[in-house]
Amino acid sequence: GQQLNQSPQSMFIQEGEDVSMNCTSSSIFNTWLWYKQDPGEGPVLLIALYKAGELTSNGRLTAQFGITRKDSFLNISASIPSDVGIYFCAGQLYYGNKLVFGAGTILRVKS
Amino acid sequence: EAQVTQNPRYLITVTGKKLTVTCSQNMNHEYMSWYRQDPGLGLRQIYYSMNVEVTDKGDVPEGYKVSRKEKRNFPLILESPSPNQTSLYFCASSLGLSPLHFGNGTRLTVT
Repeated sequence: GQQLNQSPQSMFIQEGEDVSMNCTSSSIFNTWLWYKQDPGEGPVLLIALYKAGELTSNGRLTAQFGITRKDSFLNISASIPSDVGIYFCAGQLYYGNKLVFGAGTILRVKS
Repeated sequence: EAQVTQNPRYLITVTGKKLTVTCSQNMNHEYMSWYRQDPGLGLRQIYYSMNVEVTDKGDVPEGYKVSRKEKRNFPLILESPSPNQTSLYFCASSLGLSPLHFGNGTRLTVT
């Protein structure tokens, strides 16, 4: 099936640093989503993007929907310990079409 | 509180012993889906349902069954579990164009 290439696979950063991760696809999507999964929990939606070129912020998080519709990135500014977890990107072509997930980026923050 | 509830949270079973993982949502969502999460592979869709009595295969449906007799419930059935079905399972639901809401997961071990 379709796959998203998400990178990096993992990051170990110092508290206060900025973080950047991205997803690329060989095919286009009309929706890009970013989820975060805490240990022992299900993924929780962080940001949803519905339009090519869209740049959306949620607190310290900023995500962009690539203009080609084949990529998206997520930035976290001034990381804090509670940012640790697994971040997933997901793409969807249209409603009812399956959501395709990236393999995830494991974020660890050292204080 | 709006939520997706899965049961059980943890399950250890033996090869061939039929099991059911329940999923219930209280948000009147039409769309429900099951995913499995494995290290390095992200979330892969098993089955999904667009509405009552409408189900369809995802990317990895082999060895699984589902049913959607009522809008709120979407159980996942493993008729004859095998060790390669050891995984973390998530149920999710959504309404219209809204992003997926996930349950807290069921960790299944098949010995």
